[in-house]
Amino acid sequence: ETGVTQTPRHLVMGMTNKKSLKCEQHLGHNAMYWYKQSAKKPLELMFVYSLEERVENNSVPSRFSPECPNSSHLFLHLHTLQPEDSALYLCASSQDGSYEQFFGPGTRLTVL
Amino acid sequence: QKEVEQNSGPLSVPEGAIASLNCTYSDRGSQSFFWYRQYSGKSPELIMSIYSNGDKEDGRFTAQLNKASQYVSLLIRDSQPSDSATYLCAVTRDSGNTPLVFGKGTRLSVIA
Repeated sequence: ETGVTQTPRHLVMGMTNKKSLKCEQHLGHNAMYWYKQSAKKPLELMFVYSLEERVENNSVPSRFSPECPNSSHLFLHLHTLQPEDSALYLCASSQDGSYEQFFGPGTRLTVL
Repeated sequence: QKEVEQNSGPLSVPEGAIASLNCTYSDRGSQSFFWYRQYSGKSPELIMSIYSNGDKEDGRFTAQLNKASQYVSLLIRDSQPSDSATYLCAVTRDSGNTPLVFGKGTRLSVIA
């Protein structure tokens, strides 16, 4: 595997379900990001981890819970989501100190 | 509120023409500027970065930056149908982990 991978690529869940999104980067980077992309809205930064520590949380609802066990893996745990949370969730990575972020293919999430 | 503004388009240009994509930003302290290309259903891909006033050329792409006017543009010469995509402008204030602020993107359509 190369670059940034995300699983699953598509996810349909009910509002009472609990699920997790996974991201893995194979670039040797040490910063990872979660973004949300909704139709007709700019990319929204959700979480930033640098050297496995969370450095940014853009007032994201607590129903989204990130986890970064090491510099190569990032998870987004989901529980009791709302239909308006349906979106494309993108993971990105960069080298600490570099501005250039590389994105994974995304997870298309639909909340029923 | 830091904002990045782009015309949503669609911008339609004939094959072989020059496509001009524009972006303005509100944060005068911004130092780093990026253009990402996003094909429909795919994740953003970094295509250009620019940090200093003036022009930066890479193949058929030229990024132009004017910090005094808070304006950054992307020119695509000899446009091809494969250039049809949404182009996202992203801006950041300074060092590595400062969040990127994205515009909503401009949809470019190159007509064969």
